[in-house]
Amino acid sequence: ETGVTQTPRHLVMGMTNKKSLKCEQHLGHNAMYWYKQSAKKPLELMFVYNFKEQTENNSVPSRFSPECPNSSHLFLHLHTLQPEDSALYLCASSPRGVDEQFFGPGTRLTVL
Amino acid sequence: SQQGEEDPQALSIQEGENATMNCSYKTSINNLQWYRQNSGRGLVHLILIRSNEREKHSGRLRVTLDTSKKSSSLLITASRAADTASYFCATDESGTSYGKLTFGQGTILTVHP
Repeated sequence: ETGVTQTPRHLVMGMTNKKSLKCEQHLGHNAMYWYKQSAKKPLELMFVYNFKEQTENNSVPSRFSPECPNSSHLFLHLHTLQPEDSALYLCASSPRGVDEQFFGPGTRLTVL
Repeated sequence: SQQGEEDPQALSIQEGENATMNCSYKTSINNLQWYRQNSGRGLVHLILIRSNEREKHSGRLRVTLDTSKKSSSLLITASRAADTASYFCATDESGTSYGKLTFGQGTILTVHP
């Protein structure tokens, strides 16, 4: 148990749906991340937040919209996704952003 | 090829044997990290080695870093069936955004009882 939780753990959605992924950490960390893990591809960094401010957007399509309302919570809002967006979405946090990262269990997303 | 490439892609050994995985990268780094992932789950941090360090130990893990060759190795000694997982190296590249890690594709380790 790393102290980073993600909900839901599994999500199936149609291409026209709108859904949100939630990540929560109560480790007192200042940095939070969204990653995408697809089969046969390296883990891809999507977004980085430091002290609630977005410091990295790794050329992610606008159908993915992150939100960081406070230092403990991170959301990923999804709308009009494509089947190729099906993947494991991982959230992570880090004490200062330059240390090791603590990962949540991930949300397995399937887009039909 | 990409930053943080692991070699081999898959490794199969017997319990009690040692497992060695290698990672190569292309750019200057602040640190290099190793993570483990059990099937379809989140990653677990194993060890971090900074660019000015050459070797680090943690329990049965030994990590080396050779910045002149831009390579690192992870050695797991006296492997156990529970070590079966995917192992990833990740680099914190110099000059990139705060906390941005680049991961390799990983080595799938299978330890047979």
